[in-house]
Amino acid sequence: DTGVSQDPRHKITKRGQNVTFRCDPISEHNRLYWYRQTLGQGPEFLTYFQNEAQLEKSRLLSDRFSAERPKGSFSTLEIQRTEQGDSAMYLCASSLVQYSVSYNSPLHFGNGTRLTVT
Amino acid sequence: GENVEQHPSTLSVQEGDSAVIKCTYSDSASNYFPWYKQELGKRPQLIIDIRSNVGEKKDQRIAVTLNKTAKHFSLHITETQPEDSAVYFCAASNQFYFGTGTSLTVIP
Repeated sequence: DTGVSQDPRHKITKRGQNVTFRCDPISEHNRLYWYRQTLGQGPEFLTYFQNEAQLEKSRLLSDRFSAERPKGSFSTLEIQRTEQGDSAMYLCASSLVQYSVSYNSPLHFGNGTRLTVT
Repeated sequence: GENVEQHPSTLSVQEGDSAVIKCTYSDSASNYFPWYKQELGKRPQLIIDIRSNVGEKKDQRIAVTLNKTAKHFSLHITETQPEDSAVYFCAASNQFYFGTGTSLTVIP
């Protein structure tokens, strides 16, 4: 188990630029989540995938944000026309959900990508 | 959607004392309640979780209790140690929704 990995660890960009982050989940995990976390706050849900299908997006998620998981493995999160308010830690997490049980399973988080928009 | 509230936002205890953090949730369909610990600059890590078919779960110095009727669950840490100092988050439902966190400081 190599854990959830995210790339890059840090990204500094100028306002108006586009950025893309990558997440590689634990290999056997079928669910992948994206969260945003600002200082002093809990992780804020952005979106999640079951295999390659994006099942839910937060209503708070701007249309400048888009996420993909094309082959059901790694995922990318793109932010277009970045704004200073997008500065945050972007966390990816994965889990293995077994369809035979009705309960969810624990999330395993990556180390996150810290975005700074100047 | 689910609404998770967490209290207190900060908590200071003397080493060896107990710490209790409480969360409430709104969706009666929620059936899974994990707790995460996040140290400064690090990723959140699961420390304990509970499913709605039990009322209490314990793992060494950490325990979680669940009251489904009142829709609240609590984290209990006994015999606190300085290395317990961190931010703790509760979550409910499909783990979409996290509490706002409790910053715990254990004073040696």
